[in-house]
Amino acid sequence: AQKITQTQPGMFVQEKEAVTLDCTYDTSDPSYGLFWYKQPSSGEMIFLIYQGSYDQQNATEGRYSLNFQKARKSANLVISASQLGDSAMYFCAMRINSGGGADGLTFGKGTHLIIQP
Amino acid sequence: KAGVTQTPRYLIKTRGQQVTLSCSPISGHRSVSWYQQTPGQGLQFLFEYFSETQRNKGNFPGRFSGRQFSNSRSEMNVSTLELGDSALYLCASSLASGSPYNEQFFGPGTRLTVL
Repeated sequence: AQKITQTQPGMFVQEKEAVTLDCTYDTSDPSYGLFWYKQPSSGEMIFLIYQGSYDQQNATEGRYSLNFQKARKSANLVISASQLGDSAMYFCAMRINSGGGADGLTFGKGTHLIIQP
Repeated sequence: KAGVTQTPRYLIKTRGQQVTLSCSPISGHRSVSWYQQTPGQGLQFLFEYFSETQRNKGNFPGRFSGRQFSNSRSEMNVSTLELGDSALYLCASSLASGSPYNEQFFGPGTRLTVL
């Protein structure tokens, strides 16, 4: 079964600094997608960035980039120039290609990021 | 383009009752997935519907069921509510099913409290 591990339950970062949120995954399936979501206190899950298992280059979306190291099975999220509005829970998730299609997302336990002024 | 909408946003029920939650996906999206989020168990996949058919199911009892209509709107039903069913229920939509590479976009969630 697939598993996502986020080892940082909470992080405090100074505004304007870069942030790296760790994520490691475990699957034996060669086809999978990796996703990062942001969940503010309001509860809505906001899609940030995606990386496919066969993608050769790291994904980037504005201030977000995904540091994909396939051999190490890691998919860390990097936020450049952090802002106060970045304070939220961040979840790493994976979706694999099962026999009948794609399974649902498997989520890590999340990292609570707090940006300090 | 409007995002994923979920109704109601908040719900209070008592043990033994049943509840129906609704989700309208992004226009053009045909796949709808449901997730349960609790402090203890985190985010867990319930099921996915595509073209009015359940495509995948997570490890939840049969009290949890769903359906999808021809306009891709989906409903989730929980019968015989238990205290442990108190959770945030999130709906997510994506363009298609069957691929791990499709992004899923989430709605604001329905917060269910069982007393």
